[in-house]
Amino acid sequence: AQSVSQHNHHVILSEAASLELGCNYSYGGTVNLFWYVQYPGQHLQLLLKYFSGDPLVKGIKGFEAEFIKSKFSFNLRKPSVQWSDTAEYFCAVNALGNNDMRFGAGTRLTVKP
Amino acid sequence: NAGVTQTPKFRVLKTGQSMTLLCAQDMNHEYMYWYRQDPGMGLRLIHYSVGEGTTAKGEVPDGYNVSRLKKQNFLLGLESAAPSQTSVYFCASSQVPGLGLQYFGPGTRLTVL
Repeated sequence: AQSVSQHNHHVILSEAASLELGCNYSYGGTVNLFWYVQYPGQHLQLLLKYFSGDPLVKGIKGFEAEFIKSKFSFNLRKPSVQWSDTAEYFCAVNALGNNDMRFGAGTRLTVKP
Repeated sequence: NAGVTQTPKFRVLKTGQSMTLLCAQDMNHEYMYWYRQDPGMGLRLIHYSVGEGTTAKGEVPDGYNVSRLKKQNFLLGLESAAPSQTSVYFCASSQVPGLGLQYFGPGTRLTVL
């Protein structure tokens, strides 16, 4: 079964700093990749997704992610974070043909004003 | 259009008690999921359903049972609650799992004493 690793458990940044959150998955076949965000007290929302095509995908709120197939990675980036980006971020993988979706452990991002 | 709703929002149980969590969706989605969210472990899939009358095990199914008697409802049961089942439970639904368009409910915070 596929698994997802997020290496950063807690990241603390100042406003305007650049962000990169790592995500690696273990599955040899074709996958669909996702990043979800959970703001404090809220439920998960889809941030962006990759199915095929251009490996650089853009999502909401200025986030983007790059799929590097050779590295089994799908890292999330944002050039300049804001205080409102404080949240927990989850990477998720769905293996083509599977009915379920597996999530990483999450990365808590704290942005200091 | 309420999306995905969960009942109850909070519950405290004593060890050995039983309870049922209800998830309802009004989007006519085929796929429904139950996850538990624990600190440092992200979301882990308990059970899921690919359609009315069907259920399947996820990553952590032990101690839980589910039923999907109606397409719009997905019930999660704890027959004999244990402290290890203290968690936040999220339900999600999706029309096609590979598209990642999983809609999440607001969560149920369960404490087992």
